[in-house]
Amino acid sequence: EDQVTQSPEALRLQEGESSSLNCSYTVSGLRGLFWYRQDPGKGPEFLFTLYSAGEEKEKERLKATLTKKESFLHITAPKPEDSATYLCAVQAKGGKLIFGQGTELSVKP
Amino acid sequence: DTEVTQTPKHLVMGMTNKKSLKCEQHMGHRAMYWYKQKAKKPPELMFVYSYEKLSINESVPSRFSPECPNSSLLNLHLHALQPEDSALYLCASSLQGLSTGNTIYFGEGSWLTVV
Repeated sequence: EDQVTQSPEALRLQEGESSSLNCSYTVSGLRGLFWYRQDPGKGPEFLFTLYSAGEEKEKERLKATLTKKESFLHITAPKPEDSATYLCAVQAKGGKLIFGQGTELSVKP
Repeated sequence: DTEVTQTPKHLVMGMTNKKSLKCEQHMGHRAMYWYKQKAKKPPELMFVYSYEKLSINESVPSRFSPECPNSSLLNLHLHALQPEDSALYLCASSLQGLSTGNTIYFGEGSWLTVV
C-alpha cells in the first residue's frame, strides 16, 4: 500500500537553529515527490518537486533532497517567517497525490 | 505566474441553501482538482477533471456537484450540506492529469461554514 510518513509532527526551533524535516515513503512507481508550505488558513504553497534519487533543489534557506525511500527538507538558519506547516506528497504510478500528515514548524526569535 | 484564484474566500451557508465555489486558472493547465481540508489534516482529493472531463470522483456525496465549463474554470456546486462539511475547500491545477508527475498548484482556498 502506498504510504507517506512525515516526522516529526511538530518542531520548535530558535531563530538560526538549522534542522531537517523527514518524509518517508513507500510507493509503487514514484512519479514525483512534492514539498509544500502551508500557512494557517491558506492553501498549500508549492516549494519543490523531486523526481529521482540523488536529486537536490534549493530555494533561499530551504534545501530538499531525495533518496529511494525518503526525502529531507533542510532548513538553514531559519527565521520566524519560516514558521508554517510543511507538507510532503508523492505521486505514484496509480496517479493520486498521497500526502503525509505534515510537520508543524515554529521558529522563535 | 502560477496562480489559481478561488472565490469566495469565506462562505457561510445554511443546510437548505444552494451556493457555489468558483476557481480560475490561466496557466494553460488541463487538469483541475477539488480538495477538502479539515483542520490539522492534509488535503483530501474530491474530484479530478482532465481535459474538461470528470476523471475521478472519490465517492463524494451528491450534495457536492462539480462542473468544468471550460479549461480555465472549475465550479463546485453545494446543496443541502451538513455541518460536518465545514472545511477549507481547495482548488488546484496541473499541466496535465494524474500519473504525469506534473506539479499541482493550489489556490488559497474557500473557507466554508455550514450552519
